[in-house]
Amino acid sequence: AQSVAQPEDQVNVAEGNPLTVKCTYSVSGNPYLFWYVQYPNRGLQFLLKYITGDNLVKGSYGFEAEFNKSQTSFHLKKPSALVSDSALYFCAVAWGAAGNKLTFGGGTRVLVKP
Amino acid sequence: DAGVIQSPRHEVTEMGQEVTLRCKPISGHNSLFWYRQTMMRGLELLIYFNNNVPIDDSGMPEDRFSAKMPNASFSTLKIQPSEPRDSAVYFCASSLARRVYNEQFFGPGTRLTVL
Repeated sequence: AQSVAQPEDQVNVAEGNPLTVKCTYSVSGNPYLFWYVQYPNRGLQFLLKYITGDNLVKGSYGFEAEFNKSQTSFHLKKPSALVSDSALYFCAVAWGAAGNKLTFGGGTRVLVKP
Repeated sequence: DAGVIQSPRHEVTEMGQEVTLRCKPISGHNSLFWYRQTMMRGLELLIYFNNNVPIDDSGMPEDRFSAKMPNASFSTLKIQPSEPRDSAVYFCASSLARRVYNEQFFGPGTRLTVL
């Protein structure tokens, strides 16, 4: 079975400091990993994905994520956080015949303080 | 592009009533997904369609839930009869499944409250 774990319910960071949101996965076969962000009263927005290739994936809004196969992790990072980055972040793994099924982690709330 | 459109945005109903949630996917997308989000269970995939055909409904919780996609631009999720435990935010998402592992685009959601 495919699963994703986000060990932190909330991450607090000061504006301008680096931001890291952790994600670990468990899959049978190759991992196909996604990060989404959810702002209050909005749907999820795609940030980035890892399918194959470079372990460092760059995405929207200055975010990037590092795929680490040996640690089964896919942590989301941003070098300098903004107050507007405060939101709920979800890691997900794609699976199924066409990779259409997403299993989401529980989400991590990020609070960036000015 | 208008994005994925869902209606209504909020629905309050009484236990036992029928509830119909509507979704218009992004034009040209050929896959459509219905999700449910609750505090207790997080985000769950209920059902997805490919080219208007239901492919996997294993996430539909009970027979009270049904979903249809009569054409490429419209889908409904129906709950009959509704129960208080159905209270949640229901999201519709669409994607272009021309190649695998494409990202999904989510609508704003429908917040359902069953009293």
